[in-house]
Amino acid sequence: DTGVSQDPRHKITKRGQNVTFRCDPISEHNRLYWYRQTLGQGPEFLTYFQNEAQLEKSRLLSDRFSAERPKGSFSTLEIQRTEQGDSAMYLCASSLLGTAHSGANVLTFGAGSRLTVL
Amino acid sequence: KQEVTQIPAALSVPEGENLVLNCSFTDSAIYNLQWFRQDPGKGLTSLLLIQSSQREQTSGRLNASLDKSSGRSTLYIAASQPGDSATYLCAVRRGSSNTGKLIFGQGTTLQVKP
Repeated sequence: DTGVSQDPRHKITKRGQNVTFRCDPISEHNRLYWYRQTLGQGPEFLTYFQNEAQLEKSRLLSDRFSAERPKGSFSTLEIQRTEQGDSAMYLCASSLLGTAHSGANVLTFGAGSRLTVL
Repeated sequence: KQEVTQIPAALSVPEGENLVLNCSFTDSAIYNLQWFRQDPGKGLTSLLLIQSSQREQTSGRLNASLDKSSGRSTLYIAASQPGDSATYLCAVRRGSSNTGKLIFGQGTTLQVKP
């Protein structure tokens, strides 16, 4: 296993188009997270899954955003009718749910998918 | 509402110096705190995770401390090297249970000059 993979690494699109990002987590990890990061800021939480269940969504995730993790493995994040304000780095991370005193719960991040909306 | 602040926003030091990065959070009810490193244009690499019941964690030249009551954590880097140049982010997992959401600070960008 080579870690968390994200695809594509870069996406340039015109305003109004739909885009989809894919994340492949570490295979044994049961939690998967999506974050968004703009220049000079820390990552902002968007949503997370435990297995295939989406357990929490940020208010940042408007109706134009949807995320799925259909079989509890890979996940997709789709943005419909993109706006210039959607330009950001979209980061995916995964972790293994565990007890407070296990080595679990450490998030491993992918390299990110950079979106530019023209 | 939990807020995480990192000061300073940027720091420049000569090689070999010991340094401390600061992280503060407004709600002391946290499950754990994690420090990350981010190189320009890249994803985040986990450095250290401190459980709420712990006071510190060490890995090589890095030592992270946690004082929940005062809402502070520090990341100590000993004998800094140019390869340590990066942005350092802290993040807290809120609440008393193992919820998924991490709340990040804005980061401290460190430059170590040879």
